[in-house]
Amino acid sequence: AQTVTQSQPEMSVQEAETVTLSCTYDTSESDYYLFWYKQPPSRQMILVIRQEAYKQQNATENRFSVNFQKAAKSFSLKISDSQLGDAAMYFCAYRSYYRDDKIIFGKGTRLHILP
Amino acid sequence: DVKVTQSSRYLVKRTGEKVFLECVQDMDHENMFWYRQDPGLGLRLIYFSYDVKMKEKGDIPEGYSVSREKKERFSLILESASTNQTSMYLCASIITGGNQPQHFGDGTRLSIL
Repeated sequence: AQTVTQSQPEMSVQEAETVTLSCTYDTSESDYYLFWYKQPPSRQMILVIRQEAYKQQNATENRFSVNFQKAAKSFSLKISDSQLGDAAMYFCAYRSYYRDDKIIFGKGTRLHILP
Repeated sequence: DVKVTQSSRYLVKRTGEKVFLECVQDMDHENMFWYRQDPGLGLRLIYFSYDVKMKEKGDIPEGYSVSREKKERFSLILESASTNQTSMYLCASIITGGNQPQHFGDGTRLSIL
C-alpha cells in the first residue's frame, strides 16, 4: 500500500526567506502523480503545484518549486520569498495512475511566517 | 472553475441524532470523496464514489453511510451521531484519470454535543 510521510508537523520561516517542506512516499507503482495542497486557516484547500512521475523536470509555479527525486521517493516543496499569505497547512498527496480512489495524503505541515 | 459546495460551514448536533452533510459539485466529475480531518491525523478517507449509486468504503467508514443519487451530489450520513465524530469534514471531487488535482469544498466543522 502507498504511504505519504511529512516529517515536519510544524515549521517557521522569516518573511522573505526561503523554506523547504519535506515529503517522502512509498509505492511500487511506476506511474503516479504528486501534489502539494495549501489549506489556509478556515479556508478551502487549494492546489499549489503538481508533478507527473514520468517527468524528470521539476515543476515550478512562481515562488513555489519542487525537488522531485523519483529514485529516493522524495517530493519536497520550496517556497521562495515567503509571504505572510503563505501561512497555512500544507499537504503532500499521491495519486495513483491506475486507480482513481487511490489518493493518499500526508499528515500535513503547518507553516508559520514570521514578520 | 470547478466549484464544490458543502451545505454548512458549521453544524452543531446532539448525540444520537441522524446527521446529513451535503456536497454538490458543478463540473460533472465522476469521482467524489468524503474525508475527515483531525489535527495530527491529516485527511482520512471515509467513503469514495465513482459513479451514481456506486460507493466504496474508505479507511474509516464505521458509523457513516453515503448516498449518491445524482452525479453532482454526494451526501454523508451519520446514522447516530456520537461525540467522537466531532471533526472537520471535507468533500472533494475529481475527474477520472490524468494529472488533475482534487477540488475541495470549504469544509463542515461538525460538533456533536
